[in-house]
Amino acid sequence: QVQLQESGPGLVKPSETLSLTCAVSGYSISSGYYWGWIRQPPGKGLEWIGSIFQSGSTYDNPSLKSRVTISVDTSKNQFSLKLSSVTAIDTAVYYCARHTAHTTVATRYFDFWGRGTLVTVSS
Amino acid sequence: SYELTQPPSVSVSPGQTASITCSGDKLGDKYASWYQQKPGQSPMLVIYQDTKRPSGIPERFSGSNSGNTATLTIGGTQAMDEADYYCQAWDSSTVVFGGGTKLTVL
Repeated sequence: QVQLQESGPGLVKPSETLSLTCAVSGYSISSGYYWGWIRQPPGKGLEWIGSIFQSGSTYDNPSLKSRVTISVDTSKNQFSLKLSSVTAIDTAVYYCARHTAHTTVATRYFDFWGRGTLVTVSS
Repeated sequence: SYELTQPPSVSVSPGQTASITCSGDKLGDKYASWYQQKPGQSPMLVIYQDTKRPSGIPERFSGSNSGNTATLTIGGTQAMDEADYYCQAWDSSTVVFGGGTKLTVL
């Protein structure tokens, strides 16, 4: 069974960089699939942040693109998120998830999710 | 940017059929996925590629997608189905989620 586990600081100061890691077990990142980050502000809906393939190729939400860096470490079977210049509106539960890598992008879907980690931006 | 619109809330009596809609421009030309999220839990895939159910998802969950609207239908709704439901589609290489619908089983 594929399992994903987010880790990182639960509190980040405004203007600093949020850094999270997602450890994957039960499946090798090198075997395929995309690996993504999604966030959910308290009491609100889901927002996709970006995704990365095993090769390191990424694509991001245009609304966040300039602040987002997603990387993958196949040797540790994990991938990471960095979100720079955070403000209070970046306070959210951050989820990592796996999504399929069908040739036709429109057919892709998120099939496994981590439990999420709450990150609060506050001084 | 592409938007998906869901009703904020839907109510249903136990044993009845619940329908949750998701609207977007020419959504029927794309594929819709649906996720269930219970309080304090992470989202779980219940429908993908418009109509397909992942292993372990009860048959009472079904989906359709035509025109500008995708629909998640839950037949014989049970108390355990009370949750938030999110639709999701792709616009080019961008993931788009609907705003979510809270399903209440009265």
